[in-house]
Amino acid sequence: EAGVAQSPRYKIIEKRQSVAFWCNPISGHATLYWYQQILGQGPKLLIQFQNNGVVDDSQLPKDRFSAERLKGVDSTLKIQPAKLEDSAVYLCASSLEGTPSPLHFGNGTRLTVT
Amino acid sequence: TQLLEQSPQFLSIQEGENLTVYCNSSSVFSSLQWYRQEPGEGPVLLVTVVTGGEVKKLKRLTFQFGDARKDSSLHITAAQPGDTGLYLCAGAGGSWGKFQFGAGTQVVVTP
Repeated sequence: EAGVAQSPRYKIIEKRQSVAFWCNPISGHATLYWYQQILGQGPKLLIQFQNNGVVDDSQLPKDRFSAERLKGVDSTLKIQPAKLEDSAVYLCASSLEGTPSPLHFGNGTRLTVT
Repeated sequence: TQLLEQSPQFLSIQEGENLTVYCNSSSVFSSLQWYRQEPGEGPVLLVTVVTGGEVKKLKRLTFQFGDARKDSSLHITAAQPGDTGLYLCAGAGGSWGKFQFGAGTQVVVTP
């Protein structure tokens, strides 16, 4: 089966600019996650979707971050405006419905904010 | 703030040696997973443990889930350079009610 696809692979922007990341999960996976992984740390959950509904966005900085999952398939994560501390790898993962289904990760987008 | 504590943060050993990494929390997990992440890639699932006291073996890797479901360990026997990577534990359930990752243990196995 095809894995989780993410783009772009790398992105460099200046602070206060905006950026968007795209994720295509594994076909049939109802649950989609966006994680932020800062260098030297484990992934931090930003938002979890079940189909096209938000299950958990308690750690999403909503003043600058937004995410959507249209038609319960692809998802986009947007940052506007970006701050220096947003420099990180943004990982998308998908899973079949229910815990403890394994998470299947994409290779991430490495964001550098200068 | 990481609710799951992993130790050690970094481990460097030679090929053929054994190693153990730990994952601990003050909260109870409904399930726990171990992942390995290599540079430039996303984490890849190694194992899922669900039952307190459970032991699972995957070739040279042995995973143990504590009786109280608050801690877990990963033991690698006769480590090989291919075992090099960031080992992450991820817990579901507990007081936070969602899937959270620890900070990881960076393992380096030199030939």
